[in-house]
Amino acid sequence: ETGVTQTPRHLVMGMTNKKSLKCEQHLGHNAMYWYKQSAKKPLELMFVYNFKEQTENNSVPSRFSPECPNSSHLFLHLHTLQPEDSALYLCASSQEYYRIPETQYFGPGTRLLVL
Amino acid sequence: AQSVAQPEDQVNVAEGNPLTVKCTYSVSGNPYLFWYVQYPNRGLQFLLKYITGDNLVKGSYGFEAEFNKSQTSFHLKKPSALVSDSALYFCAVRDPYSGAGSYQLTFGKGTKLSVIP
Repeated sequence: ETGVTQTPRHLVMGMTNKKSLKCEQHLGHNAMYWYKQSAKKPLELMFVYNFKEQTENNSVPSRFSPECPNSSHLFLHLHTLQPEDSALYLCASSQEYYRIPETQYFGPGTRLLVL
Repeated sequence: AQSVAQPEDQVNVAEGNPLTVKCTYSVSGNPYLFWYVQYPNRGLQFLLKYITGDNLVKGSYGFEAEFNKSQTSFHLKKPSALVSDSALYFCAVRDPYSGAGSYQLTFGKGTKLSVIP
């Protein structure tokens, strides 16, 4: 494994549910990312945190709410999702967001199905 | 704006044959280029990157990629394919001149590589 863990690995939720995805990195990195991976589409960057501060929000709907309590942990809180939000959600980390060049290390992802 | 294209959704190759997975990019300056691989039910794994210097970059698992500025390409290659190389491959680009506040990687849609025994 890459040193980035994600839980749960699979999640089924109804549109009225509230759930959270968790990501933890054991690499001593300072930047963490949430990506959405849908079939036959490029990876979509959702959020970036650098030293616990949110630095990127790519016009993500407010039904997705990130939280980064420290440099090792990242959460994605979900509520009132839509079926089109079903996808693989990937967490990644890197040394820093602004360091050039960067290599990102990915977790295994959470496979989300919204019914 | 930066962009990357992987023109082939799928590549099939016989085991032992050389393989190539294509990637072209568009940036305003000299790019940073990456290849990642995703095995089933796994996250993306870093393979190699081009930052500057030698146009031929060697990476993990015997893979290499050649940066060609005139053709704006960064094709992934391996001399002899293994069945275990079957996976989804992603090219990504970062434009060092993308402007303040944006240091994002832009990923291609991915190419599924199938190595046939």
